[in-house]
Amino acid sequence: GENVEQHPSTLSVQEGDSAVIKCTYSDSASNYFPWYKQELGKRPQLIIDIRSNVGEKKDQRIAVTLNKTAKHFSLHITETQPEDSAVYFCAATLNTPLVFGKGTRLSVIA
Amino acid sequence: NAGVMQNPRHLVRRRGQEARLRCSPMKGHSHVYWYRQLPEEGLKFMVYLQKENIIDESGMPKERFSAEFPKEGPSILRIQQVVRGDSAAYFCASSSQGPGYGYTFGSGTRLTVV
Repeated sequence: GENVEQHPSTLSVQEGDSAVIKCTYSDSASNYFPWYKQELGKRPQLIIDIRSNVGEKKDQRIAVTLNKTAKHFSLHITETQPEDSAVYFCAATLNTPLVFGKGTRLSVIA
Repeated sequence: NAGVMQNPRHLVRRRGQEARLRCSPMKGHSHVYWYRQLPEEGLKFMVYLQKENIIDESGMPKERFSAEFPKEGPSILRIQQVVRGDSAAYFCASSSQGPGYGYTFGSGTRLTVV
């Protein structure tokens, strides 16, 4: 089955700097890659997703890139703000229930 | 739209008791997924159901755990004879189009076994 590795497990950045979180997946057939944000004590929320027929997708300050050959995808957050502090999860799937990475705890220091 | 509703939000059970976790999917969503989250861990898939059917239960322990999604009413995750290791947050998610598409998660049930 699919296996998703996520790095780093924790990340601290200064407010205004960029943050990058990387994930690798094992099943080359996977074709859907969402990212979820989970604030402390809250539900995971979908923030952006990408399909395998697209190399990059952007939504305001967040973007996701996908490298199918290397089987990795990344989340980029620019101009970070304190409210970006949360745990971020990547996931991958090919028509099966989502397989999640272990998460990255992002702290944005004001 | 009320979103995915889970109850209770917090549940405390003594070892050996039963825990029943409920999940009402978003209106129009017929696909329900249950995940377990341990502290500092990711979301571990347990079971995927559609109305009246279990589609994939590969992540659910064979003993003590069961799930259902009846024609009427919420999906239920049932844990019999709970042990301390069952303490975790259990999240339910739903979707309208099945696997391969994004989910909407509920707020979770935090189970504590004492």
